[in-house]
Amino acid sequence: AQSVAQPEDQVNVAEGNPLTVKCTYSVSGNPYLFWYVQYPNRGLQFLLKYITGDNLVKGSYGFEAEFNKSQTSFHLKKPSALVSDSALYFCAVRDLWAGNNRKLIWGLGTSLAVNP
Amino acid sequence: DVKVTQSSRYLVKRTGEKVFLECVQDMDHENMFWYRQDPGLGLRLIYFSYDVKMKEKGDIPEGYSVSREKKERFSLILESASTNQTSMYLCASSPERQRNQPQHFGDGTRLSIL
Repeated sequence: AQSVAQPEDQVNVAEGNPLTVKCTYSVSGNPYLFWYVQYPNRGLQFLLKYITGDNLVKGSYGFEAEFNKSQTSFHLKKPSALVSDSALYFCAVRDLWAGNNRKLIWGLGTSLAVNP
Repeated sequence: DVKVTQSSRYLVKRTGEKVFLECVQDMDHENMFWYRQDPGLGLRLIYFSYDVKMKEKGDIPEGYSVSREKKERFSLILESASTNQTSMYLCASSPERQRNQPQHFGDGTRLSIL
């Protein structure tokens, strides 16, 4: 079955330290992978995506993510966290081989808290 | 920039009322989606539409219906609102002809059913 796992409900990091938000997935084919961020009482904002090519992709606000096919992971990273990065982060996958492939499969989200 | 507009940010309704949530996108996207978001449960897909007058059930369609009479507009209808439908509702759209493009979200409607 298709699934996306974000193993940590919450991640705490000190401002200035590197941060990682983890995502692993299980799909039948080659996936399109996405990260989104949600600030309180707002909709989701797209951060970055992996489609093909270089395994390290860069996105908005200094975030990047590394696609690892063998580990079926797509972890979100930032070299130096800011307090303003505190938000809810969602990983999502589009499985083009699925019977209905217009949908995204979503992780449950990880709450990131950056402490000053 | 893609803009997805949801008609209300906050809405309070009573049990048994028929409730309409409206969503409009301005980028000629084929796909439109309605999600609800509850703490600890992530985003759950209610319905989506891939063309005018076309719809498909998502993971939790019970108690909801949808309407897509025009390409840019996708409405979610709560036929008879119940307290367990109190939630944050998110609308999104995406282009089908460019499958590598992300879904774009509105700001959400926080719906309270009393």
